[in-house]
Amino acid sequence: AQKVTQAQTEISVVEKEDVTLDCVYETRDTTYYLFWYKQPPSGELVFLIRRNSFDEQNEISGRYSWNFQKSTSSFNFTITASQVVDSAVYFCALSEARSGNTPLVFGKGTRLSVIA
Amino acid sequence: DGGITQSPKYLFRKEGQNVTLSCEQNLNHDAMYWYRQDPGQGLRLIYYSQIVNDFQKGDIAEGYSVSREKKESFPLTVTSAQKNPTAFYLCASSIGGLPTGELFFGEGSRLTVL
Repeated sequence: AQKVTQAQTEISVVEKEDVTLDCVYETRDTTYYLFWYKQPPSGELVFLIRRNSFDEQNEISGRYSWNFQKSTSSFNFTITASQVVDSAVYFCALSEARSGNTPLVFGKGTRLSVIA
Repeated sequence: DGGITQSPKYLFRKEGQNVTLSCEQNLNHDAMYWYRQDPGQGLRLIYYSQIVNDFQKGDIAEGYSVSREKKESFPLTVTSAQKNPTAFYLCASSIGGLPTGELFFGEGSRLTVL
């Protein structure tokens, strides 16, 4: 069965610090997709990134970067030079691409607080 | 603008009452989903639908019901059989039936049982 673990429940950092959010997943499929979502105080989840299991290249988008390592089943998310606007709950999610629909399974989320 | 609209944003219910949460999308997406969010529990799938007139149970479907009579609408009814209905409910949609693409979420509905 698929599972996503976000061991960090809450993290607090001072503005301009770098912070890494951990995500460990479990799946028996060889083809799967990993996602990160941001949930600001407004409540709506915002898509950040999708990565398929065959693409282990790290990705950088502005201050955001993602490190996908199949050997450790991890898909960690780093925010460089954090800002107050980064304060939110961040969710990692997994989808298995086997036959039949397998909706996203989410981790429990990590609440990030960036203090000015 | 295209997107997902959930209503109401806040809802109060007395025990024993059924309530229906609305979810409408104008993105022309095939698949729609309902998730429940509780503090510290992440998002848990209630029901999902890949096409009109078809839907499947998720992990926590007991005490809930849905319908998918129109492509753009996927209402969720929280019945009196749901033992602990106070939660934040999120509706989402995706382009295809298989969620290899991103989910688009509404702003959520917060239900409180008095």
